[in-house]
Amino acid sequence: DTGVSQDPRHKITKRGQNVTFRCDPISEHNRLYWYRQTLGQGPEFLTYFQNEAQLEKSRLLSDRFSAERPKGSFSTLEIQRTEQGDSAMYLCASSPFRSKGNSPLHFGNGTRLTVT
Amino acid sequence: DQQVKQNSPSLSVQEGRISILNCDYTNSMFDYFLWYKKYPAEGPTFLISISSIKDKNEDGRFTVFLNKSAKHLSLHIVPSQPGDSAVYFCAASLIQGAQKLVFGQGTRLTINP
Repeated sequence: DTGVSQDPRHKITKRGQNVTFRCDPISEHNRLYWYRQTLGQGPEFLTYFQNEAQLEKSRLLSDRFSAERPKGSFSTLEIQRTEQGDSAMYLCASSPFRSKGNSPLHFGNGTRLTVT
Repeated sequence: DQQVKQNSPSLSVQEGRISILNCDYTNSMFDYFLWYKKYPAEGPTFLISISSIKDKNEDGRFTVFLNKSAKHLSLHIVPSQPGDSAVYFCAASLIQGAQKLVFGQGTRLTINP
Protein backbone atom coordinates (compact mmCIF):
# COMPACT_ATOMS: atom_id res chain seq x y z
CA ASP A 1 0.00 0.00 0.00
CA THR A 2 1.74 3.18 -1.17
CA GLY A 3 -0.04 5.70 0.99
CA VAL A 4 1.23 9.10 2.12
CA SER A 5 4.52 8.72 3.95
CA GLN A 6 5.94 11.20 6.47
CA ASP A 7 9.36 11.31 8.06
CA PRO A 8 10.27 11.48 10.88
CA ARG A 9 7.34 10.26 12.97
CA HIS A 10 8.60 12.11 16.02
CA LYS A 11 10.94 15.04 16.48
CA ILE A 12 12.07 16.58 19.75
CA THR A 13 14.03 19.79 19.45
CA LYS A 14 15.16 22.66 21.59
CA ARG A 15 13.67 26.09 21.23
CA GLY A 16 15.51 28.11 18.62
CA GLN A 17 16.60 25.15 16.52
CA ASN A 18 15.53 24.54 12.92
CA VAL A 19 13.63 21.41 11.92
CA THR A 20 12.65 19.93 8.57
CA PHE A 21 9.95 17.36 7.84
CA ARG A 22 9.47 15.34 4.68
CA CYS A 23 6.31 14.11 2.98
CA ASP A 24 6.03 11.63 0.12
CA PRO A 25 2.52 11.74 -1.36
CA ILE A 26 0.66 9.02 -3.24
CA SER A 27 2.54 8.89 -6.52
CA GLU A 28 -0.26 9.79 -8.92
CA HIS A 29 -1.54 12.67 -6.76
CA ASN A 30 -0.52 16.11 -7.96
CA ARG A 31 -1.95 18.05 -5.00
CA LEU A 32 -0.13 18.06 -1.67
CA TYR A 33 -1.26 19.72 1.55
CA TRP A 34 0.26 20.49 4.95
CA TYR A 35 -1.92 20.70 8.04
CA ARG A 36 -1.16 21.21 11.71
CA GLN A 37 -3.10 19.63 14.57
CA THR A 38 -2.86 20.57 18.22
CA LEU A 39 -4.35 18.68 21.14
CA GLY A 40 -8.13 18.69 21.22
CA GLN A 41 -8.45 20.44 17.87
CA GLY A 42 -9.04 19.37 14.31
CA PRO A 43 -6.33 19.73 11.67
CA GLU A 44 -5.73 23.29 10.44
CA PHE A 45 -4.72 24.08 6.89
CA LEU A 46 -1.22 25.49 6.42
CA THR A 47 -0.43 25.38 2.71
CA TYR A 48 -0.91 23.42 -0.49
CA PHE A 49 0.85 22.66 -3.76
CA GLN A 50 -0.38 21.72 -7.16
CA ASN A 51 2.58 19.97 -8.74
CA GLU A 52 5.56 22.16 -7.78
CA ALA A 53 3.60 25.40 -7.42
CA GLN A 54 2.68 26.57 -3.93
CA LEU A 55 -0.78 28.01 -4.56
CA GLU A 56 -1.99 29.05 -1.14
CA LYS A 57 -0.61 29.71 2.32
CA SER A 58 -2.58 30.19 5.53
CA ARG A 59 -1.92 33.17 7.74
CA LEU A 60 -0.97 30.53 10.33
CA LEU A 61 2.19 30.00 8.31
CA SER A 62 4.51 32.63 9.78
CA ASP A 63 7.74 33.76 8.16
CA ARG A 64 9.56 31.07 10.12
CA PHE A 65 7.78 28.39 8.13
CA SER A 66 8.67 27.46 4.58
CA ALA A 67 7.46 24.61 2.40
CA GLU A 68 8.81 23.36 -0.88
CA ARG A 69 7.92 20.77 -3.46
CA PRO A 70 10.81 21.13 -5.87
CA LYS A 71 9.98 18.51 -8.48
CA GLY A 72 6.29 18.11 -7.85
CA SER A 73 6.84 14.88 -5.96
CA PHE A 74 7.93 14.93 -2.29
CA SER A 75 7.61 18.03 -0.13
CA THR A 76 9.51 19.47 2.82
CA LEU A 77 8.28 21.72 5.60
CA GLU A 78 10.93 23.67 7.47
CA ILE A 79 10.44 25.57 10.70
CA GLN A 80 13.20 27.99 11.63
CA ARG A 81 13.92 29.19 15.16
CA THR A 82 11.33 26.87 16.67
CA GLU A 83 9.14 28.10 19.53
CA GLN A 84 7.25 26.07 22.11
CA GLY A 85 4.00 27.05 20.41
CA ASP A 86 5.14 25.14 17.34
CA SER A 87 4.67 21.86 19.22
CA ALA A 88 1.97 19.99 17.30
CA MET A 89 1.30 17.15 14.90
CA TYR A 90 2.18 18.13 11.34
CA LEU A 91 0.09 16.24 8.81
CA CYS A 92 0.64 15.89 5.11
CA ALA A 93 -2.11 14.93 2.69
CA SER A 94 -2.42 14.41 -1.04
CA SER A 95 -5.17 14.19 -3.60
CA PRO A 96 -5.58 14.03 -7.36
CA PHE A 97 -6.66 17.20 -9.10
CA ARG A 98 -10.03 16.91 -10.80
CA SER A 99 -11.27 19.62 -13.12
CA LYS A 100 -14.82 18.79 -12.09
CA GLY A 101 -15.98 17.66 -8.71
CA ASN A 102 -13.86 16.82 -5.73
CA SER A 103 -11.97 13.98 -4.13
CA PRO A 104 -11.02 13.34 -0.52
CA LEU A 105 -7.61 14.09 0.91
CA HIS A 106 -5.48 11.13 1.93
CA PHE A 107 -3.43 11.81 5.04
CA GLY A 108 -0.13 10.47 6.27
CA ASN A 109 0.47 9.47 9.90
CA GLY A 110 2.04 12.82 10.69
CA THR A 111 5.19 14.10 12.36
CA ARG A 112 4.82 14.93 16.02
CA LEU A 113 7.01 17.88 16.95
CA THR A 114 7.89 18.67 20.54
CA VAL A 115 9.81 21.87 21.24
CA THR A 116 11.43 21.97 24.67
CA ASP B 1 -13.94 31.94 14.02
CA GLN B 2 -14.89 28.26 14.09
CA GLN B 3 -16.62 27.64 10.78
CA VAL B 4 -17.16 23.93 11.46
CA LYS B 5 -18.25 22.84 14.92
CA GLN B 6 -18.67 19.52 16.61
CA ASN B 7 -20.30 20.35 19.90
CA SER B 8 -20.01 16.92 21.49
CA PRO B 9 -16.42 16.15 22.53
CA SER B 10 -17.34 12.55 23.31
CA LEU B 11 -20.03 9.94 22.75
CA SER B 12 -20.48 6.50 24.24
CA VAL B 13 -22.66 3.88 22.49
CA GLN B 14 -23.49 0.23 23.11
CA GLU B 15 -22.18 -2.25 20.57
CA GLY B 16 -24.83 -3.04 17.95
CA ARG B 17 -26.71 0.23 18.48
CA ILE B 18 -26.71 3.29 16.26
CA SER B 19 -24.04 5.98 16.70
CA ILE B 20 -25.02 9.49 15.60
CA LEU B 21 -22.32 12.14 15.33
CA ASN B 22 -23.29 15.72 14.63
CA CYS B 23 -21.63 18.68 12.96
CA ASP B 24 -22.69 22.28 12.30
CA TYR B 25 -21.17 24.78 9.92
CA THR B 26 -21.56 28.51 9.47
CA ASN B 27 -20.17 29.20 5.99
CA SER B 28 -22.99 28.85 3.45
CA MET B 29 -20.40 28.70 0.64
CA PHE B 30 -19.28 25.20 1.67
CA ASP B 31 -20.55 22.64 -0.80
CA TYR B 32 -18.56 19.49 -0.05
CA PHE B 33 -18.56 17.73 3.31
CA LEU B 34 -16.52 14.80 4.59
CA TRP B 35 -16.12 12.62 7.65
CA TYR B 36 -12.75 11.33 8.76
CA LYS B 37 -11.90 8.81 11.43
CA LYS B 38 -8.70 8.96 13.44
CA TYR B 39 -7.02 6.33 15.61
CA PRO B 40 -4.26 7.35 18.05
CA ALA B 41 -0.85 7.83 16.43
CA GLU B 42 -2.33 7.64 12.93
CA GLY B 43 -3.45 10.24 10.44
CA PRO B 44 -7.13 10.85 9.66
CA THR B 45 -8.70 8.24 7.39
CA PHE B 46 -11.43 9.24 4.93
CA LEU B 47 -14.81 7.63 5.66
CA ILE B 48 -17.55 9.16 3.57
CA SER B 49 -18.43 12.41 1.81
CA ILE B 50 -21.44 14.27 0.46
CA SER B 51 -21.87 17.17 -1.93
CA SER B 52 -24.42 19.88 -1.33
CA ILE B 53 -26.62 18.69 -4.18
CA LYS B 54 -27.51 15.62 -2.12
CA ASP B 55 -29.08 15.21 1.30
CA LYS B 56 -27.95 11.65 1.97
CA ASN B 57 -25.08 9.37 1.07
CA GLU B 58 -24.71 5.80 2.21
CA ASP B 59 -21.74 3.45 2.26
CA GLY B 60 -22.24 0.18 4.09
CA ARG B 61 -22.77 0.86 7.78
CA PHE B 62 -22.09 4.59 7.34
CA THR B 63 -24.65 7.18 6.25
CA VAL B 64 -24.13 10.92 6.09
CA PHE B 65 -27.11 13.27 6.15
CA LEU B 66 -26.95 16.91 5.08
CA ASN B 67 -29.50 19.56 6.05
CA LYS B 68 -28.44 22.68 4.15
CA SER B 69 -31.12 24.96 5.56
CA ALA B 70 -29.96 24.15 9.08
CA LYS B 71 -26.28 24.02 8.07
CA HIS B 72 -26.05 20.67 9.80
CA LEU B 73 -24.70 17.28 8.92
CA SER B 74 -24.65 14.01 10.77
CA LEU B 75 -22.94 10.66 10.49
CA HIS B 76 -24.89 7.52 11.36
CA ILE B 77 -23.10 4.25 12.06
CA VAL B 78 -25.32 1.18 12.17
CA PRO B 79 -24.63 -1.23 13.76
CA SER B 80 -21.80 0.17 15.87
CA GLN B 81 -18.80 -2.12 16.36
CA PRO B 82 -15.91 -1.96 18.85
CA GLY B 83 -13.51 -1.14 15.98
CA ASP B 84 -15.48 2.06 15.38
CA SER B 85 -14.05 3.51 18.60
CA ALA B 86 -11.99 6.48 17.40
CA VAL B 87 -12.10 10.26 17.04
CA TYR B 88 -14.36 11.42 14.21
CA PHE B 89 -13.83 14.71 12.42
CA CYS B 90 -16.22 16.41 10.07
CA ALA B 91 -14.74 18.69 7.43
CA ALA B 92 -16.03 21.05 4.78
CA SER B 93 -14.70 22.73 1.66
CA LEU B 94 -15.65 24.21 -1.66
CA ILE B 95 -16.03 21.76 -4.55
CA GLN B 96 -14.05 23.96 -6.91
CA GLY B 97 -10.69 25.36 -5.98
CA ALA B 98 -8.12 24.35 -3.43
CA GLN B 99 -10.04 21.59 -1.60
CA LYS B 100 -8.87 23.35 1.53
CA LEU B 101 -10.65 21.39 4.23
CA VAL B 102 -11.93 23.14 7.35
CA PHE B 103 -12.21 20.65 10.21
CA GLY B 104 -14.33 20.50 13.32
CA GLN B 105 -12.76 19.80 16.71
CA GLY B 106 -13.62 16.11 16.66
CA THR B 107 -15.87 13.76 18.65
CA ARG B 108 -14.39 10.80 20.49
CA LEU B 109 -16.67 7.78 19.96
CA THR B 110 -16.44 4.85 22.34
CA ILE B 111 -18.29 1.65 21.55
CA ASN B 112 -18.97 -0.41 24.65
CA PRO B 113 -19.28 -4.21 24.37
